Amino acid sequence: KQEVTQIPAALSVPEGENLVLNCSFTDSAIYNLQWFRQDPGKGLTSLLLIQSSQREQTSGRLNASLDKSSGRSTLYIAASQPGDSATYLCAVYGGATNKLIFGTGTLLAVQP
Amino acid sequence: GAVVSQHPSWVICKSGTSVKIECRSLDFQATTMFWYRQFPKQSLMLMATSNEGSKATYEQGVEKDKFLINHASLTLSTLTVTSAHPEDSSFYICSARDRGFGNEQFFGPGTRLTVL
Repeated sequence: KQEVTQIPAALSVPEGENLVLNCSFTDSAIYNLQWFRQDPGKGLTSLLLIQSSQREQTSGRLNASLDKSSGRSTLYIAASQPGDSATYLCAVYGGATNKLIFGTGTLLAVQP
Repeated sequence: GAVVSQHPSWVICKSGTSVKIECRSLDFQATTMFWYRQFPKQSLMLMATSNEGSKATYEQGVEKDKFLINHASLTLSTLTVTSAHPEDSSFYICSARDRGFGNEQFFGPGTRLTVL
């Protein structure tokens, strides 16, 4: 059974810092991995999608990497801003199920 | 990215009534749609998966007679909470998958249901 874990559960940083969010999964037989952002009381915004054959994806200040063999992904946020404050979720798709399996989330607070 | 809309964004109803939530993929055809439920400060819990034109597949522990799902077209899925009770109060989020986007899933903005 696929399990997805995110570390840390919560993170508070001053504005301008670079930061890394971690995601690990137990079954490496995945098709892709997605990183999402969720603001309080809102739905999920897809940030980056990494296919299983890819190593990383970049969008603006965000860079996500994928090491399928070790079951790990990282989301790097450069020059953090207060507007980046949100819960970040990673999710993997594939393996034995046709479902997206979500991690536990990281609550990020960027202090002005 | 693709856009998924939900309607209504919030609803308050009396216990015993039924509530319908619509989920639409606005600029792509969604062969598969998903319905999630989210409790405060928790991650998303998958309720059911629906494919266009066929019956939904419910996750273990989810009452299919309680949560009726219809995926009548490639752009519309509905979730009806029948005979709602206060314990059904929650945040419901739909999602749609488009194979044209490499199986990326796109999520709606969610519907906050409060049952009095």
